[in-house]
Formats: sequence, C-alpha cells, structure tokens
Amino acid sequence: EVQLVESGGGLVQPGGSLRLSCAASGFTFSSYWMHWVRQAPGKGLVWVSRINSDGSSTSYADSVKGRFTISRDNAKNTLYLQMNSLRAEDTAVYYCARDVRALTHMDVWGKGTTVTVSS
Amino acid sequence: QSALTQPRSVSGSPGQSVTISCTGTSSDVGGYNYVSWYQQHPGKAPKLMIYDVSKRPSGVPDRFSGSKSGNTASLTISGLQAEDEADYYCCSYAGSYVFGTGTKVTVL
Repeated sequence: EVQLVESGGGLVQPGGSLRLSCAASGFTFSSYWMHWVRQAPGKGLVWVSRINSDGSSTSYADSVKGRFTISRDNAKNTLYLQMNSLRAEDTAVYYCARDVRALTHMDVWGKGTTVTVSS
Repeated sequence: QSALTQPRSVSGSPGQSVTISCTGTSSDVGGYNYVSWYQQHPGKAPKLMIYDVSKRPSGVPDRFSGSKSGNTASLTISGLQAEDEADYYCCSYAGSYVFGTGTKVTVL
C-alpha cells in the first residue's frame, strides 16, 4: 500500500525549532518529487516547500524562505522539514504529499502532523 | 503568489448538480493545463479528485468533472450525494503550487 506518515509535530515556543519527518512506503520514493503543504486552524491549504527526486533542487514559499529547510534521505525513504525561528503564524497541520509529474498534481497525502507555536 | 479565488460555499439537494469556480490569472490557471482539485472532509487529509484540468484518478466517481475557460477552472459535481459534503480546493501550477481559497459544499 502506498503510504506517507508524518511525525515530529508538537508544541514549541516562538523562536524555537522543530524537525518534521515523512516516512514513505509502498512506492519508489527516490523517483518522486515531494512537497510539504500546511493548513492553519480553520483555514485553507497552503503550499510550503518542494524538493526534486534526488534532493538537488528545492523551493519555498516566501513566508518560510530562510527559516525552513526541506531535505530527503532516499536510502531511508524519508522526507524532512527543518523549521527554525518559528512564529505563531506557523501553527498548522503539516502534510507531506507526493508529486506525480513535477508540479502537475499531488496524488498521495499523509494524514498530517500538528505544529503549535505558542508561549 | 496570491491564492486562487473560489466561492466560500455552494449547496445543493441530493441528485442536483453544483459547480465550483476557481479564478486565477494568466500566470497560473490560464497559463497551464495543470489544474487539480482536492476534496477534504473535516479532520482528514486532502484527496485528489481531478488533475490536468479534467482527468479523474482511478476510483473517483464520474460524477466529478473538471473544465477550464481562460483564467477560470471549474469543478462540477453531478448527482450530488451526502458523502460529497466536504471542502474543495483547486490548485494550479505557477512555478510552484498555488491553492484556491476553498469552497464548502453543503448537501441540503
């Protein structure tokens, strides 16, 4: 079964750091671009970041550029999101998603992990 | 990149049809045939319903259809069913991805 499972969310103080993980199974992880998408409480979906299949190219939304870093370990079938200098407005459910054909659509999504930034 | 514009809510009775619009610009919706639609039930992950403007993934009922004209894409749900009540988001290629503001579909 094709599956993505996020972990690493939690409560963190403003200015703190957190690393999210996304474990992939059931498909050849190293062949796919991957994304992080977030959803603040009661709000819509917002694209956060993407990484290409071998990790050599990344891209970020302006709101997280310079604070978040996306990476992957294809040997471990795992996607990461390192989040630094966290702000209250980063509070959200963070989803990882598989990209089918390099920025055409995302066909597999994890169930999400919740990040709460609060003092 | 600004979010694509969707109506906040639409509603219909069982068996009726509803259409959700998704308006962008020539830099996103109008410039590429890479519009996708996602269904999200409360507390659940998004689910892909339409991709490449009008294609349905395996397992998605043919009651769901997509189209595009200029800078506006549309999702139509025909023969509305109770389980279709959910939030729907459009998404377009724009150098990266840009999502729509989301539409709540209510089955009366």
